[in-house]
Amino acid sequence: DAKTTQPPSMDCAEGRAANLPCNHSTISGNEYVYWYRQIHSQGPQYIIHGLKNNETNEMASLIITEDRKSSTLILPHATLRDTAVYYCIVRVAVVQGAQKLVFGQGTRLTINP
Amino acid sequence: EAGVAQSPRYKIIEKRQSVAFWCNPISGHATLYWYQQILGQGPKLLIQFQNNGVVDDSQLPKDRFSAERLKGVDSTLKIQPAKLEDSAVYLCASSSVWGAQVRGPLHFGNGTRLTVT
Repeated sequence: DAKTTQPPSMDCAEGRAANLPCNHSTISGNEYVYWYRQIHSQGPQYIIHGLKNNETNEMASLIITEDRKSSTLILPHATLRDTAVYYCIVRVAVVQGAQKLVFGQGTRLTINP
Repeated sequence: EAGVAQSPRYKIIEKRQSVAFWCNPISGHATLYWYQQILGQGPKLLIQFQNNGVVDDSQLPKDRFSAERLKGVDSTLKIQPAKLEDSAVYLCASSSVWGAQVRGPLHFGNGTRLTVT
């Protein structure tokens, strides 16, 4: 299974861009990178995913390096509501057509006023 | 669209008692997952259904945990008998199937917080 490595915690000032790194050096060519976040007492929330190209949606941008061994999630203008644990996940073990997501420890992002 | 519904929100039981959790996935989602999240850790997959069939239950402690998905819609996760180490949040998630491969992201409910005393 491809594994990910993330810093355990990060801080960012409100209004600034939050850049969350993730290493996935053993990723396979057909494995996607997913990002989820979990706000206290809630279930994880999907943010974005990508394969090779950079991706952007209304929540964030995902930058994947050319060798695909690492990626960065960018929250362009962080707000206090973005304080959460952020999980970088590589989709593994597609079994009978169904994806399987294995969560690591994630990065606890704190947005400071 | 309505999200993934779970109940109860909280449950406190004594060890050796039994407990059941219920999940109603997003309408039309063929894949359903149960995750266990111990305090301070990321969610751990327990079991995965595709419609009403089990796709992966390799992490499910089958001596005490069981799960079913009647008619490929709602699902129930049961623990009998419960142990102290089962104290955790139990999360249900669902996803849609696009073509022959699951592409849709997982949508999670807010979970059931179980405390075993």
